[in-house]
Amino acid sequence: GAVVSQHPSWVICKSGTSVKIECRSLDFQATTMFWYRQFPKQSLMLMATSNEGSKATYEQGVEKDKFLINHASLTLSTLTVTSAHPEDSSFYICSAHSLELTMGTQYFGPGTRLLVL
Amino acid sequence: GENVEQHPSTLSVQEGDSAVIKCTYSDSASNYFPWYKQELGKRPQLIIDIRSNVGEKKDQRIAVTLNKTAKHFSLHITETQPEDSAVYFCAVRREGYQKVTFGTGTKLQVIP
Repeated sequence: GAVVSQHPSWVICKSGTSVKIECRSLDFQATTMFWYRQFPKQSLMLMATSNEGSKATYEQGVEKDKFLINHASLTLSTLTVTSAHPEDSSFYICSAHSLELTMGTQYFGPGTRLLVL
Repeated sequence: GENVEQHPSTLSVQEGDSAVIKCTYSDSASNYFPWYKQELGKRPQLIIDIRSNVGEKKDQRIAVTLNKTAKHFSLHITETQPEDSAVYFCAVRREGYQKVTFGTGTKLQVIP
């Protein structure tokens, strides 16, 4: 149980294009989903918290107009990197949280590796 | 906000020896402390967690201890094996909040 999928697993795009990443909880309903960015050899940095049916809460320093988050259902959240630039290249990981599962533990997706040329 | 420090940043041990990783936190209202293992290019995997109402929890070769007064907690891995080699992250969550704050990570290398 508690499986989270993420798609695509990797993407290469040209500078200026937009990229959409999907995060799905496959066997449970996620009341909250989190989006992280991880640079090589660094820790996970929280970008935003997304609750189903409401606007995402962004961490300080994260541009909400650049990283669009939509949490349309209890099993799906999407992150769109708009007008991507090489500095946006990173490993993006989502996690899903449910109060019904082991007291709110977060379960991570497999991550999406983004390379912007 | 919460500040989580993790030490050491790298740790090399001989196979069969024990490994200990320590984390300190700043927010006394924190009440949930998970540990994650991340292999290269993979997702973080929860390996053990502890809540503030207990001081120690053990699962086979892995144990976590918590000192709420001193605001630090530690991960203990005994009888280390090469497959334990990975990056380990501690994390902290404040009571009533959903998000966690991660430590900076410890790269553990178990030498056969």
